[in-house]
Amino acid sequence: EPEVTQTPSHQVTQMGQEVILRCVPISNHLYFYWYRQILGQKVEFLVSFYNNEISEKSEIFDDQFSVERPDGSNFTLKIRSTKLEDSAMYFCASSEAQLGAFFGQGTRLTVV
Amino acid sequence: GEDVEQSLFLSVREGDSSVINCTYTDSSSTYLYWYKQEPGAGLQLLTYIFSNMDMKQDQRLTVLLNKKDKHLSLRIADTQTGDSAIYFCASSSGGSYIPTFGRGTSLIVHP
Repeated sequence: EPEVTQTPSHQVTQMGQEVILRCVPISNHLYFYWYRQILGQKVEFLVSFYNNEISEKSEIFDDQFSVERPDGSNFTLKIRSTKLEDSAMYFCASSEAQLGAFFGQGTRLTVV
Repeated sequence: GEDVEQSLFLSVREGDSSVINCTYTDSSSTYLYWYKQEPGAGLQLLTYIFSNMDMKQDQRLTVLLNKKDKHLSLRIADTQTGDSAIYFCASSSGGSYIPTFGRGTSLIVHP
C-alpha cells in the first residue's frame, strides 16, 4: 500500500539552528500538508501546498517556516531559526483531493 | 474557524463496543474523518463520511452523523486490545481541503 514517508524520524537540534524536515508524499497525490502536534495537544495545521505554491497557511506558519517541493517527489519543511517551542511531532500528509489526507509517521523535533 | 471537540478518554472491556463521540461547529463541514494514532506512530485514516450521509459501516466500524446536532460518532464493535490508540475526529469544509482535528480520544481497552 502506498504511504507517506518522512525522514528523519527524530531530529535533535540546538536553539537557533535551521532544520529541514523531509517528506515523500504518495506519488499520484496533488495536495501536500504539514501539521504539527505538540506533546499532549491537538494536531495543528501549518500549511498546505498545491501546484507548486502555498494554498493555505495557519497563523503558526510565520516567516521562520518555509516549504518547498524541490524535485517533484520530495516535500520539505524548513524552520530557519528553531525555538524551544518548536519542539513537536511534525507530520507530513498528502491527498488526492478531499478524500482524507494520508499522514506519514512523523518527525519528532527536539530543540535544546 | 472550525472547532472540533472530543472527550479525552474512554475505557472499555475487551469484547464490548466502544463509542467515541465528536462535535463540530462549522455547519458547512462537508467531510468528516476518523483517524487512529497508535503510540509513537502517525495518523492512520480509518474512515470518512460525506455530510449528506447519516451512517457508514466498514467492518467493525460504524460512523454515525447527526448533521442537525453537528455530532459525529465512531462505534467499534467487539473492541480488541489492538484497538487501544488515540482516535481523532476531523472535519473539512467545501471551500478548504484542510482537516481540522479534535484533541483526540484515548481509547483504553482492558481485558
